Amino acid sequence: GENVGLHLPTLSVQEGDNSIINCAYSNSASDYFIWYKQESGKGPQFIIDIRSNMDKRQGQRVTVLLNKTVKHLSLQIAATQPGDSAVYFCAEKGAAGNKLTFGGGTRVLVKP
Amino acid sequence: GAGVSQSPSNKVTEKGKDVELRCDPISGHTALYWYRQSLGQGLEFLIYFQGNSAPDKSGLPSDRFSAERTGGSVSTLTIQRTQQEDSAVYLCASSLVKGGTEAFFGQGTRLTVV
Repeated sequence: GENVGLHLPTLSVQEGDNSIINCAYSNSASDYFIWYKQESGKGPQFIIDIRSNMDKRQGQRVTVLLNKTVKHLSLQIAATQPGDSAVYFCAEKGAAGNKLTFGGGTRVLVKP
Repeated sequence: GAGVSQSPSNKVTEKGKDVELRCDPISGHTALYWYRQSLGQGLEFLIYFQGNSAPDKSGLPSDRFSAERTGGSVSTLTIQRTQQEDSAVYLCASSLVKGGTEAFFGQGTRLTVV
C-alpha cells in the first residue's frame, strides 16, 4: 500500500495466524529487494532480502516472494506473534554501490 | 559502541536557526545513509556516502541541506535556516560492504522547529 497523509495502511492479525504484507515496486533494474521492520521509537531493522533473479526466499518464520512480472513483493510471516507488531517497509537496491530506496510502509497490529 | 550512534536524540530549534546532526556509523562500514521520516510516514532518502566515491546527494530537498563525512567515518547533516517543515526524525544508517542490503540504523534525531 501507499501512505496517505498520516495513515499507514494497517494489517490486523490474530496472534498465531499468518500475515502477508504486500509491496509494489517501480524500478525493474533493482538488483535486490529487501524487507525492514520498524518498531515504535526505533530505527528500521533488516529482516530479509531477495535477489532479483530469485522468486522466493525463506528465513526464520518469514518468506519473501518476488513477482517480477507484476513488480510485486510480499512478506509472509508465519504464526504471527505480538513482537511482530511494527511497521514493515519494503526497499530496493540497484547495482552494487547504489543507494537503498524505501517504499511505503504497512503497520501490522497483532491481536492477542 | 556496537551500533550506529546519533546525536542529539532530540533537538528543538527556532525557525531560521542552523542545526547540525551527527552520526557515528559502525566501525568499518563503508556506506552511510541519511533518511528523513515524518510522523507516520515512510523513509525519505537524503544522501548516500559510499567509500571514497562522490556522495549521492539526489535526495537533499533544498540547498539548505548539506552533509559531509570526514575520514570515511563520522557524518554530519547540516540544515541551515531551518523551517517548520524540516521537523522530522532524521535517521542515519551504515552498511558494511559496497552493495550491501543490510543497513544498520541509529535511533534517529527528532528535530522540532518552532
